[in-house]
Amino acid sequence: AQSVSQHNHHVILSEAASLELGCNYSYGGTVNLFWYVQYPGQHLQLLLKYFSGDPLVKGIKGFEAEFIKSKFSFNLRKPSVQWSDTAEYFCAVKTNAGKSTFGDGTTLTVKP
Amino acid sequence: DAMVIQNPRYQVTQFGKPVTLSCSQTLNHNVMYWYQQKSSQAPKLLFHYYDKDFNNEADTPDNFQSRRPNTSFCFLDIRSPGLGDAAMYLCATSRGVAGTAYNEQFFGPGTRLTVL
Repeated sequence: AQSVSQHNHHVILSEAASLELGCNYSYGGTVNLFWYVQYPGQHLQLLLKYFSGDPLVKGIKGFEAEFIKSKFSFNLRKPSVQWSDTAEYFCAVKTNAGKSTFGDGTTLTVKP
Repeated sequence: DAMVIQNPRYQVTQFGKPVTLSCSQTLNHNVMYWYQQKSSQAPKLLFHYYDKDFNNEADTPDNFQSRRPNTSFCFLDIRSPGLGDAAMYLCATSRGVAGTAYNEQFFGPGTRLTVL
């Protein structure tokens, strides 16, 4: 069975700091990878996804993620965070069988 | 705007009293999902429909059932809610399942279920 591991449960940064949130998955086959974000009081929404092709994918609001197949990783990055990035971030994996698995989430708090 | 709508946003039920949560979509997506999310945990997939084909996760309790009478609507029925079923229930849709480019999921706002 596949699993998704997010290394940091809670990250606290100051504005303008750089961000990297770790995500590792375990599954031997082809996967699609996603990062979803949930802002306070709002529903989950897609930040970015990897389906195929260039392993460096860019999403909304200056976020990017890099798929490293050999490391089974899909880390999320942003060079300079803003207060408005305060949210919960979920990494998710979807297999060709359609099974979708989420990580436990990382709560990001950005101090102004 | 096209969207995923969940009603009600908050539901209170009594221990053992059947409850139904509702989800509708205006996206005309083929796939509809139900997730259970408990506090500080990952959303856990309960089941999904690809059109009329129902796909149950192996570890979803029998207490949870689902119906999809048409493309737009999907219901989650909890036959005998226990205290452990208190959670946020998320509905999501996608155009297709994995293996296509159209497999990102669009989420509704969730229904928070309280069991007394």
